[in-house]
Amino acid sequence: AQTVTQSQPEMSVQEAETVTLSCTYDTSENNYYLFWYKQPPSRQMILVIRQEAYKQQNATENRFSVNFQKAAKSFSLKISDSQLGDTAMYFCAFNAYSGAGSYQLTFGKGTKLSVIP
Amino acid sequence: KAGVTQTPRYLIKTRGQQVTLSCSPISGHRSVSWYQQTPGQGLQFLFEYFSETQRNKGNFPGRFSGRQFSNSRSEMNVSTLELGDSALYLCASSWEGYTRTYEQYFGPGTRLTVT
Repeated sequence: AQTVTQSQPEMSVQEAETVTLSCTYDTSENNYYLFWYKQPPSRQMILVIRQEAYKQQNATENRFSVNFQKAAKSFSLKISDSQLGDTAMYFCAFNAYSGAGSYQLTFGKGTKLSVIP
Repeated sequence: KAGVTQTPRYLIKTRGQQVTLSCSPISGHRSVSWYQQTPGQGLQFLFEYFSETQRNKGNFPGRFSGRQFSNSRSEMNVSTLELGDSALYLCASSWEGYTRTYEQYFGPGTRLTVT
């Protein structure tokens, strides 16, 4: 079974600073996908960034980037130039094949990020 | 394109009752997944439907069921409600095609409170 661990339940960062959220996972699969989702206080889950395991290059989306270390099974999220709108719960998620054409998302417990003005 | 929509947004039920939640996926998306979110257990996978067939199921009791219609809209049903069923129920849809990307797009959720 796949597991996803986010070891930082809460974090805070000053506005305009950089913060890194950690995520590790455990799997015996070789082909899989990793995601970071953001859930602001309004509760709508939003996809932040995705990474395919077969790609060595780290994904980047504007101020968001990941550090993907496949051998270490680590997938951290870096947020640069933090903004007040980045305040949210961040979930690391692992998507792997579970049979019959289905891919199942397994989520970590989340990291609550607060951006301080 | 309109996003994933869920109805109702809030629901209060009493123990023993049953409830039906609805989810309309993004146009063109044929896969619909359901998740239960609680403070204690986090996000847990309930089941996934594709082309009106349940393709995958999480570790939940048989009181939790679902279905998908030909227009890809999905419903989930919880019978004989228990206090522990109080949660945010999230629906997510994804597109499957030649260039499958595996991302899931979430709706705003239905907040179910069981009293």
